[in-house]
Amino acid sequence: GQNIDQPTEMTATEGAIVQINCTYQTSGFNGLFWYQQHAGEAPTFLSYNVLDGLEEKGRFSSFLSRSKGYSYLLLKELQMKDSASYLCAPREYGQNFVFGPGTRLSVLP
Amino acid sequence: DSGVTQTPKHLITATGQRVTLRCSPRSGDLSVYWYQQSLDQGLQFLIHYYNGEERAKGNILERFSAQQFPDLHSELNLSSLELGDSALYFCASSVDWGDSYNEQFFGPGTRLTVL
Repeated sequence: GQNIDQPTEMTATEGAIVQINCTYQTSGFNGLFWYQQHAGEAPTFLSYNVLDGLEEKGRFSSFLSRSKGYSYLLLKELQMKDSASYLCAPREYGQNFVFGPGTRLSVLP
Repeated sequence: DSGVTQTPKHLITATGQRVTLRCSPRSGDLSVYWYQQSLDQGLQFLIHYYNGEERAKGNILERFSAQQFPDLHSELNLSSLELGDSALYFCASSVDWGDSYNEQFFGPGTRLTVL
């Protein structure tokens, strides 16, 4: 099984940068997904990391350290529409990925 | 639009009743996953089907069952409904399963309310 930890809630200001951390424990790591979910809506894919390092995609970047069981999602130039939950989902070999509890981000004007 | 469709969008029923939720995966996707999300809770994995066969089971109650048909659409059956079954039920699909990249695409969900 997997043990996934994320902060429950975060608050940031429009235009700022925020980092959402995720720590996990897996017995055979095989990639980590980040999804965004607005309240009452379906989760949508943001990023995927399988090797150590930073993956950049516009305003969003995701970092992975496999040895530390650690990932973060970095959101730059925050906009009001970024207010949502962010779900970390690591995967083990031979298993489907498992969603963490999610971090609810509130962006304030 | 992810390409995954779910019907109905909303369902209101009474305790003790039985309902069926339907999901059509994206064209070409062979895997279908079902998730439950209660109010302010995380996504709980229920069950995964690949090309008609059950591949993995999560925290799915015995009162719940699912199947995937030859045309790859899937149905989730919920019986003897309880108040606590009120939740958003999401279906997701992916091309494959297992160790490949395998991004999951989510449908819009069915909101079930049990009164």
